Amino acid sequence: EVQLKASGGGLVKPGGSLRLSCVGSEFSFSSYSMIWVRQTPGKGLEWISSISTTGVYTHHADSVKGRFTISRDNAKNSLYMQMNNLRTEDTAMYYCARVVSTWPDFWGQGTLVTVSS
Amino acid sequence: FMLTQPHSVSESPGKTVTISCTRSSGSLVGHFVQWYQHRPGSAPTTVIYGGTQRPSGVPDRFSGSVDSSSNSAFFTISGLKTEDEADYYCQSFDANIWILGGGTKLTVL
Repeated sequence: EVQLKASGGGLVKPGGSLRLSCVGSEFSFSSYSMIWVRQTPGKGLEWISSISTTGVYTHHADSVKGRFTISRDNAKNSLYMQMNNLRTEDTAMYYCARVVSTWPDFWGQGTLVTVSS
Repeated sequence: FMLTQPHSVSESPGKTVTISCTRSSGSLVGHFVQWYQHRPGSAPTTVIYGGTQRPSGVPDRFSGSVDSSSNSAFFTISGLKTEDEADYYCQSFDANIWILGGGTKLTVL
């Protein structure tokens, strides 16, 4: 059974850092582009970042550019999101998803990030 | 550009509902339109990709269409069930940037 397991969320103060992880299993992780999407409280879904199969190409939303960095380690079947200089508005549930062609065909359960003093 | 959806829609079980998604500028390319279902407390799922295609396991009550004349995509659920109650989002691309609509809350009452 295909799985994507996100972890690393938690409570952090404004200005702090967190590193989210998303581990894939039961599929060829290195064959898929990956994305991070978040849902902030009371608001809709927001695409955050995407990364190509090899990790060479990455893209970030303007709202996180310069603060968040997406990366992957195919040897560990893992996707990462390094989150620096966190703001209260980054409080959200963060989801990872694998992408086939141009659409996400499988989504993982989320990990909750709370930024509060 | 932005993708504009109605904030909410409601309909009765057994009926048909359609949610619109209008691109504010530029052309909406049908085969680059996706629709996502998001129930509270669960991960999102993709219910339509490529404008009109259903992933495996998505019921055929769900369908998608694109109208170039109105620069809009549409998501339709027929034979509504209470389990269809969720938030629905359309999504397209601006080069390599993923653009999501604001979401539509579907209430089945």
